Amino acid sequence: DAKTTQPPSMDCAEGRAANLPCNHSTISGNEYVYWYRQIHSQGPQYIIHGLKNNETNEMASLIITEDRKSSTLILPHATLRDTAVYYCIVRVGSGGSQGNLIFGKGTKLSVKP
Amino acid sequence: GAVVSQHPSRVICKSGTSVKIECRSLDFQATTMFWYRQFPKQSLMLMATSNEGSKATYEQGVEKDKFLINHASLTLSTLTVTSAHPEDSSFYICSARGYTDQPQHFGDGTRLSIL
Repeated sequence: DAKTTQPPSMDCAEGRAANLPCNHSTISGNEYVYWYRQIHSQGPQYIIHGLKNNETNEMASLIITEDRKSSTLILPHATLRDTAVYYCIVRVGSGGSQGNLIFGKGTKLSVKP
Repeated sequence: GAVVSQHPSRVICKSGTSVKIECRSLDFQATTMFWYRQFPKQSLMLMATSNEGSKATYEQGVEKDKFLINHASLTLSTLTVTSAHPEDSSFYICSARGYTDQPQHFGDGTRLSIL
């Protein structure tokens, strides 16, 4: 599975949008971009995933560049409860041999009042 | 939906004891389950992958005789840490996935402390 690069940490003011970048320049055509977050001492929580098109759900939006070499996770109105480590992971999405989720170091997002 | 329950949440036991951790998918059938381990201030490390009714596939460096995995049904997998020692103390997290095009969902983890 392709490797991802994320900034180690970011700060965001409460109520503002949090934009978390991820580089995945070696992504293959059949690999999806997944985002998870881990709040301290809990298991990771699934946020969103996508292949080519931008995706939105009740938690966040995922913007994938046209060349698919990078993406941005957007939390539209960050709250203190969004403070967590955010992981961007790429893996084969479906069919045939499917890769497992391999976690990197992620981005520690601190939402401040 | 997509709830994964892990039990127990915390275990403290003496060295040499075997410890069993259960992972259940509550509202979906998990064709594949995963076990991860996380040491303090580090990221999750995949230990093994199991498909229902098949033997688990272990990652390099993970002792299969030490960490016994059973995935006997589509909703239950267990991890048994045999003859646990202090160096096995860690945060163990299970994950489950239904069909291959669905995301993995995680349990809340088990904090294992071996005295």
